[in-house]
Amino acid sequence: NAGVMQNPRHLVRRRGQEARLRCSPVKGHSHVYWYRQLPEEGLKFMVYLQKENIIDESGMPKERFSAEFPKEGPSILRIQQVVRGDSAAYFCASSPSSPGLAGGPDNEQFFGPGTRLTVL
Amino acid sequence: KQEVTQIPAALSVPEGENLVLNCSFTDSAIYNLQWFRQDPGKGLTSLLLIQSSQREQTSGRLNASLDKSSGRSTLYIAASQPGDSATYLCAVGGFSGGYNKLIFGAGTRLAVHP
Repeated sequence: NAGVMQNPRHLVRRRGQEARLRCSPVKGHSHVYWYRQLPEEGLKFMVYLQKENIIDESGMPKERFSAEFPKEGPSILRIQQVVRGDSAAYFCASSPSSPGLAGGPDNEQFFGPGTRLTVL
Repeated sequence: KQEVTQIPAALSVPEGENLVLNCSFTDSAIYNLQWFRQDPGKGLTSLLLIQSSQREQTSGRLNASLDKSSGRSTLYIAASQPGDSATYLCAVGGFSGGYNKLIFGAGTRLAVHP
C-alpha cells in the first residue's frame, strides 16, 4: 500500500517561471491538503481539496498560486511567475474519505516526502 | 485564532535519558492532535494521533498525553537513542465543515548524543 507520493522531490526554477508540484494521495483517499514550510519556519496550511473541488484555500496566496485535484490523476499545486520568496518545501497530505464527526482514525493525515522548490 | 507553541525549541541530551517535549495550544476546541517527526530535508512521519476524546496514546518508547482543558500535550520519549535525533512537530486539528485542518508548532529540535 503505497503512501503519499510527491514529485518532483526537488525543483529549481528561475524567477518568472512556472512551478508545478504533483501529489498522489494514498490509494482510496479523496481528501488532499497542501502545506508550505518556509526556511526555518513551521508548516502552514495552504489549501484543502476533495475530488474536483476546492474546499478551503484560505492559506493560499491570492495571486499566482492555484491548486486542483481532478477526478483522475494527481493533485497539482501550480505557482506562476515564481519569486525567490516562494522557495520552500511544499508538503502534501491525504486522509481517508470520511473523517467523521465522532472522531476516529479516518482523520489522520499522512504526509508525502515533500517537494523542495528553489527559485534562483 | 489557534496558535501552537512548542517548548523547548531545541534540546540536547545524552543517550539513555528520558525526556519530555511540550506543546501548548490556545483554543481548546480541537478535533485531534498529532505528533510528527521530521528528519533534515525529509518529510513528516506521523508518530502518534490523539483524538479529542482521548487522554493519551502510546507507541513503543513514545507516549503522548493530551489535556484539552489546559491546552497542553506532552510527548514522552523513554530511553532516548541517537536515532531519535530529529525535529518533533506538534499539530492540532480543528474540525470544520467536514475536514481537519492542521495547525503546526515550530517544532523541537532534538539531538541525542552517544
